[in-house]
Parts: sequence; structure tokens; C-alpha cells
Amino acid sequence: DQQVKQNSPSLSVQEGRISILNCDYTNSMFDYFLWYKKYPAEGPTFLISISSIKDKNEDGRFTVFLNKSAKHLSLHIVPSQPGDSAVYFCVSGGSNYKLTFGKGTLLTVNP
Amino acid sequence: ETGVTQTPRHLVMGMTNKKSLKCEQHLGHNAMYWYKQSAKKPLELMFVYSLEERVENNSVPSRFSPECPNSSHLFLHLHTLQPEDSALYLCASSPLLTGAYEQYFGPGTRLTVT
Repeated sequence: DQQVKQNSPSLSVQEGRISILNCDYTNSMFDYFLWYKKYPAEGPTFLISISSIKDKNEDGRFTVFLNKSAKHLSLHIVPSQPGDSAVYFCVSGGSNYKLTFGKGTLLTVNP
Repeated sequence: ETGVTQTPRHLVMGMTNKKSLKCEQHLGHNAMYWYKQSAKKPLELMFVYSLEERVENNSVPSRFSPECPNSSHLFLHLHTLQPEDSALYLCASSPLLTGAYEQYFGPGTRLTVT
């Protein structure tokens, strides 16, 4: 059973608009969440993270929101750029090394 | 070279072959990982090493044999694989094993077993 779910396999947005990628998790023991981005033929690269003691973390155009009661997090990209087109993985972790990955959402930003 | 490198990038092997995947990290990290990504599945953790000692074997079949000769290098030795082992194999490293550290990934080796 998947502990980290990204229910949208793909998302398409126009350049300059907001991209919102969603993620749900089931394990309430998760206390650290990350988003990774993956381009074709490359490994995943770390994008942004959030600890469970926070409900928001912002880094430039990227903001991650965490709703612990709903076990939901989202990644907002504003404004979206064509170079943001990639697969985005929602990842959960804790105090140990075990990261649990979602299946990913393919974001396409159209010029 | 910087970051995490993996060789070869692509590998085609028969079921009776023996081959090895290599990973090298230039980040001074102490923990290294092997992951498998099959089509339409999430990344699966296979093995974890901390300071060259294996700390995790995530129920991986013995036809996959890892080796970590030092904290910068990690190998995955492959022997008598099955077609269902065809996947993208990713290596990663992190500064330490525990704690909320992100892992840094290599580009992966695309393995095809024929």
C-alpha cells in the first residue's frame, strides 16, 4: 500500500501561471517532507523541504505547504517557467534515512 | 567531477552475464544508497551503507550484491538477473545516515536484461 500518493500523474500549465502539485500521505510518523525534481536522463534533484513543525516553507518561486491534520502537502510554483517542466516527486522521511517516494507528477509548462 | 556520478549510464545484459554498476560521490558524504526505479513504480530502496558498513538490505534477491570499499565508492554487482530486473538503478549519498538530510542522486544506470 502506497504511503505517499501523488494522484495526478500529469499536470499542464501555461507559462507565468501557478503550478500546484499535490501529495497525500498516510503515515502520521512522517515528520519531514521533501520535493524532488527529475529531468529525463538525470537523477532526482532536491528542490525544497519542510519539517512537520512548520506549515509553510518558501524558496524563491517554490513554496511548500503542509497540512498535518489532512496529511496533505502541496508544492506551488509561481510563476511557472518552461524550464520547470519535469517529474516532481513528493517524498516523506523521518529521523532515519528511509525516504518514501510518491510515483511522481509530470509537470509540463507550455510557453 | 562533482556530485554523484554513475557508470555505465546504459547497460544491456543477458540473464547469464555478470556485470557491475559503479557509483562515486565527490561530496564527502558518509552514507550511500542504491535505489531501483521500475516503470510506473515509486523509487524502491535496495541497500544502504554508512561509513562503508551495510545497514540495510531491503529484502533484495541475492543476485544483487553491493560493495562499498570506501565512503566515496559504491558498486552493485549483478549476476544471473531476470528480465523483470530491467529498471533504472539510482545511487544516492547523504552527509550522515540519520537526521533530516536530503539525499543527492546520481543520473542512474538504465539496465535492460534480455
